[in-house]
Order: sequence, then structure tokens, then C-alpha cells
Amino acid sequence: ILNVEQSPQSLHVQEGDSTNFTCSFPSSNFYALHWYRWETAKSPEALFVMTLNGDEKKKGRISATLNTKEGYSYLYIKGSQPEDSATYLCAFEGAQKLVFGQGTRLTINP
Amino acid sequence: SAVISQKPSRDICQRGTSLTIQCQVDSQVTMMFWYRQQPGQSLTLIATANQGSEATYESGFVIDKFPISRPNLTFSTLTVSNMSPEDSSIYLCSFMRGGNTKAFFGQGTRLTVV
Repeated sequence: ILNVEQSPQSLHVQEGDSTNFTCSFPSSNFYALHWYRWETAKSPEALFVMTLNGDEKKKGRISATLNTKEGYSYLYIKGSQPEDSATYLCAFEGAQKLVFGQGTRLTINP
Repeated sequence: SAVISQKPSRDICQRGTSLTIQCQVDSQVTMMFWYRQQPGQSLTLIATANQGSEATYESGFVIDKFPISRPNLTFSTLTVSNMSPEDSSIYLCSFMRGGNTKAFFGQGTRLTVV
């Protein structure tokens, strides 16, 4: 059974602070690692799809890194804003399907 | 960008009844995926729906409980049959255009079984 784990499960951060959280995944049969942001009452929205070991991607204040050899990815948010409050999901892609972690629920305190 | 319209967005159902969830995509897609997120759990794949063939179910999910239809390349339904309170979850439909590409999701159906 594929195991994708995210930590922490929840996080409260002061507005303006930076934060990061982790996704760990199997290092074998790797195809891609996905990050999604899921706001309440909305669809999950793709942030990044990463495939190469050492890959770093950035979208505004959010960035992610990937280590496929040791099986982890970090998501960073710089200068958190209230609109960053959401659940952040990572997903391991293999065999044409996604296996999701439990998510990190991020709350930004104004 | 692609759009998936999913409905209903929420429902409260009596145990023993069935609910059918619909997803309409604004373009043709080969595979559609149905997920469930039980409270406090991961988003879990129920089945993959291909047009013109039977859906492929993941371990722990069976066709009698979660029948799926895929009549064409833009539409799919998932039925949650003979519901019990344990079926209370968020159900999501999704598709990907190919490997290494992002997934698109419907807005979700929040189901409560009483």
C-alpha cells in the first residue's frame, strides 16, 4: 500500500510570517509529485507538478522543492497572507493515478 | 482552463437510500477519477472511469456500492448506494489530461447520511 504522509496536520501562522511543510512519499516507481491548495467550498487547485530530483518551482510567494531519492518534498510560503489559509495536499503520481496525503491545514492569523 | 461542473454540492440523505453525483466536463477527457474524503482522512481514489468500458475500482471499493456510469467523454456519474452514516464524506470527480499534468477537480459533493 502506497503511503504518502504530510506534516504537520495543521498549522497556525501569524500574518507576514513564512512557513513550510513536508510531504514524504515512496522513492520507488516515482512518476511525479503534485501539490494542491484546497480552500473550503472550492475545488482543489493545482500549485505544482514536479518530476525531476532537485526540482524547485515557484509561483508568487509559494515555492516547492523535490527530492525523489529520499522521497520528500517541501512547500514554502513566504510572507503569509490571510488568503493563504487553506488545506495543502500533496499527491504521489504513479501508474496513472494519484495517491494523496492527508493534507496540512494552514490557518493565517491576522 | 478546463471546467468541471459537479452536482449536487451538498446533500443530507436518509440511511438506506442512494444518491447519484454528476460531473460534466467542458471538453472531452479519456479518464475520469472519483475520490472520497472521509472526515480526517486523505482524499482516496474510489475508481477510474473510462468511456465505453467498466470502471476500475480500487481496493476496498466495489461496483455494487459505488456504481459508475461514463456514457461519453464529457460526463460521468457516481452513485452511493444503500447509504450508511459511514458514507458521510466529500466526493470529488477529477481528470488529468495526461501523465505529469495537473489534475482538475469538481467543486465536490458534501454528503451527510443520517
